[in-house]
Amino acid sequence: DAKTTQPTSMDCAEGRAANLPCNHSTISGNEYVYWYRQIHSQGPQYIIHGLKNNETNEMASLIITEDRKSSTLILPHATLRDTAVYYCIVRVDNQGGKLIFGQGTELSVKP
Amino acid sequence: SQTIHQWPATLVQPVGSPLSLECTVEGTSNPNLYWYRQAAGRGLQLLFYSVGIGQISSEVPQNLSASRPQDRQFILSSKKLLLSDSGFYLCAWSYTQATEAFFGQGTRLTVV
Repeated sequence: DAKTTQPTSMDCAEGRAANLPCNHSTISGNEYVYWYRQIHSQGPQYIIHGLKNNETNEMASLIITEDRKSSTLILPHATLRDTAVYYCIVRVDNQGGKLIFGQGTELSVKP
Repeated sequence: SQTIHQWPATLVQPVGSPLSLECTVEGTSNPNLYWYRQAAGRGLQLLFYSVGIGQISSEVPQNLSASRPQDRQFILSSKKLLLSDSGFYLCAWSYTQATEAFFGQGTRLTVV
């Protein structure tokens, strides 16, 4: 699975959009981009995933660049409860197997 | 609906003692199962994963082992704990065709 690079930490004002970047320059054609988040002392929670088209669900939007070498997770209206570590992962789907986490981005939403 | 159970929530064990952490999944069959460890803040390290009964893949050499005696049961063990085994242990499952993974609430292990 391809490696990912994320900023170590970010701040965001409550009510504003949080834009979390991820670089995955070695991604291959059959690898999906997944995002998870982990609130302190809890298990990670799935947020969203995509292959090459932008995706949106009730939690977030995922924007993947045309060359697929980077992506951005967007939380449209961040709340204090969105404070967490956000992990970007790339992996091959439909094959089972391992799910490797990087160090993630620690997002602090401030009032 | 599917649920994942992991216990205990916290555990304090002396150095040299054995360890057995159990994880069970309900509401699905033939899941992929995972054990992760998180030490000193963030950074989840994949320890073991399993795609079927008796099939265990180890990601890193360590003082731990895993077993899958039943389809929806995944056990993490150690014969003799080390101080460095302290951490937050998480079990997870995913469908065989691997969309998102679902995590348990974790076990915080302190080896003293």
